[in-house]
Amino acid sequence: EIVLTQSPGTLSLSPGERVTLSCRASQSLHSGYLAWYQQKPGQAPRLLIYGASKRATGIPDRFSGSGSGTDFTLAISRLEPEDFAVYYCQQYDTPPWTFGQGTKVDMK
Amino acid sequence: QVQLVQSASEVKKPGSSVKISCTTSGDTFRSFSLNWLRQAPGQGPEWMGDIVPIFHLANYAQRFQGRVSITADESTSTVYMELSSLTSEDTAVYFCARDYTVKAPYFQFWGQGTLVTVSS
Repeated sequence: EIVLTQSPGTLSLSPGERVTLSCRASQSLHSGYLAWYQQKPGQAPRLLIYGASKRATGIPDRFSGSGSGTDFTLAISRLEPEDFAVYYCQQYDTPPWTFGQGTKVDMK
Repeated sequence: QVQLVQSASEVKKPGSSVKISCTTSGDTFRSFSLNWLRQAPGQGPEWMGDIVPIFHLANYAQRFQGRVSITADESTSTVYMELSSLTSEDTAVYFCARDYTVKAPYFQFWGQGTLVTVSS
């Protein structure tokens, strides 16, 4: 199965800062079949990005995704207070669909 | 508004089975694959399998093969996930989730989650 490795494990930042999160796949995702989610405690994950770079319905444009092959990035241009959460990447190139272990973005 | 409503939390003994339900609308039931995922404390989600409800066609992740069964009931627009031979490592929140669109297995719509605790 495809293993997704996210880095860093935790980021401590302040509101207004820019953040970039990394997701590396153990093999190439040929059609950029990668999604990003945000999760807050006690909630289901929220879909942010699919197809590596397409924003899901209702997602603010401060969230952007990029990458191809094995290396993907989620960027948040200016952190808002509601953006402090855990972020996961998910591949849907080859079943079983797999998720990374997450990057926690917390407030400095 | 897409709704996925799951059954309540469960406490199970090691070696037993658990069956969780996820009820949705007829439109969702007829048109989309429904997936089961789980999330252990402090870990990322883990995909367990999915079903095309109207065809009763289920696919399972290899690591759960032989231990998981996903079924569908058209009369109530409900899908079920049964997991057997439970151990403490199966303690997790279990979610159902709908494919974003046809053959697009990323997940915008989720149930509220069902906590399964396995403890002697």
